[in-house]
Amino acid sequence: AQSVTQPDIHITVSEGASLELRCNYSYGATPYLFWYVQSPGQGLQLLLKYFSGDTLVQGIKGFEAEFKRSQSSFNLRKPSVHWSDAAEYFCAARGGSYIPTFGRGTSLIVHP
Amino acid sequence: NAGVTQTPKFRVLKTGQSMTLLCAQDMNHEYMYWYRQDPGMGLRLIHYSVGEGTTAKGEVPDGYNVSRLKKQNFLLGLESAAPSQTSVYFCASRNQERDTGELFFGEGSRLTVL
Repeated sequence: AQSVTQPDIHITVSEGASLELRCNYSYGATPYLFWYVQSPGQGLQLLLKYFSGDTLVQGIKGFEAEFKRSQSSFNLRKPSVHWSDAAEYFCAARGGSYIPTFGRGTSLIVHP
Repeated sequence: NAGVTQTPKFRVLKTGQSMTLLCAQDMNHEYMYWYRQDPGMGLRLIHYSVGEGTTAKGEVPDGYNVSRLKKQNFLLGLESAAPSQTSVYFCASRNQERDTGELFFGEGSRLTVL
């Protein structure tokens, strides 16, 4: 079955520290891959996506993600976290169907 | 440009009452989706639509009905609300013709069933 796994429910970092959020997918073929961010009380906003080509993709707000086929992973990174990055982050994948599959989310807590 | 608008944003119901959530998008998107979000469960798909007049079941459709009579609107109905339907509901839409894969989300509708 198709699935997206985010192993970390919560991640706590200090402001200015680097960040990596993990995402693993299980699909028959390489799916389209996405990272979304949800600020408190808001809907989800797309951070970045990977369809094909360069395996390192740049997104908004200084985020980047690297696609690794051998590890079935699409981890999200940011070199220096800001307090405003505190939010819920969702990894998602979509194969040839209409329907994307979401991970359960990782809650990012930023300490001053 | 409003994007995806959900109404109402908050609602409290008693068990057994009915209600309808409205999702409206002004981007002329073909695909529309209804998700529910519960703590630790991520987003679960309730129903979706690939065009006007068509709907299909998602992962957790029981207790919900939907209609897509107009391309810009996607309605989610609860005929007899249950406490298990207490959740935050999100509507999303996607463009088929110029598909970037991105879903555009509304701000959510928080429903409490007592």
